[in-house]
Amino acid sequence: DTGVSQNPRHKITKRGQNVTFRCDPISEHNRLYWYRQTLGQGPEFLTYFQNEAQLEKSRLLSDRFSAERPKGSFSTLEIQRTEQGDSAMYLCASSPLAGAIHEQFFGPGTRLTVL
Amino acid sequence: KQEVTQIPAALSVPEGENLVLNCSFTDSAIYNLQWFRQDPGKGLTSLLLIQSSQREQTSGRLNASLDKSSGRSTLYIAASQPGDSATYLCAVYRGGGADGLTFGKGTHLIIQP
Repeated sequence: DTGVSQNPRHKITKRGQNVTFRCDPISEHNRLYWYRQTLGQGPEFLTYFQNEAQLEKSRLLSDRFSAERPKGSFSTLEIQRTEQGDSAMYLCASSPLAGAIHEQFFGPGTRLTVL
Repeated sequence: KQEVTQIPAALSVPEGENLVLNCSFTDSAIYNLQWFRQDPGKGLTSLLLIQSSQREQTSGRLNASLDKSSGRSTLYIAASQPGDSATYLCAVYRGGGADGLTFGKGTHLIIQP
């Protein structure tokens, strides 16, 4: 068990470009979450998957954002037509479906800078 | 809408002191509460999780308590060390898979050698 991994760790892009981030959860964790964190703030929930189904989306997730988890394993988060306000740390977390604890384990994050 | 507040926003203490970080939440209908540590530019490390039916959890020098009815949790750090310097985040989970965690803004802790 190597923990939650995210790639890339850093991404610098120009305004208007599309970017895609990947998250690999802890194996056998059915639940996968995406969060966004800006400087000096706590993470904010974006979206949640249970297996391959996207069950919840925050109002923060504009139509330029799309997330997928095609086979219920890794997930991707795509931002189209990036804006400077999208600059943030994007965090992924996973938790097991079985059991009642629902503890979430976070990856190292992808830091996005939009120039 | 759930809101989580952490006090103080920043704290600087000499090494060896015992300290308490506070977290309050507005909606007591929570499933659990997690405390995390975040080092600069890094992801979150889970420290302790308290389920709604529990009063406290302990791990090493850390002890977290939960008073669900009053919407409060505290994280107690005993015999602080410079390596404890980080931002500590409190987060609550409503349950049912919905909405993820709701976080506070964190307490930025500096332990002076």
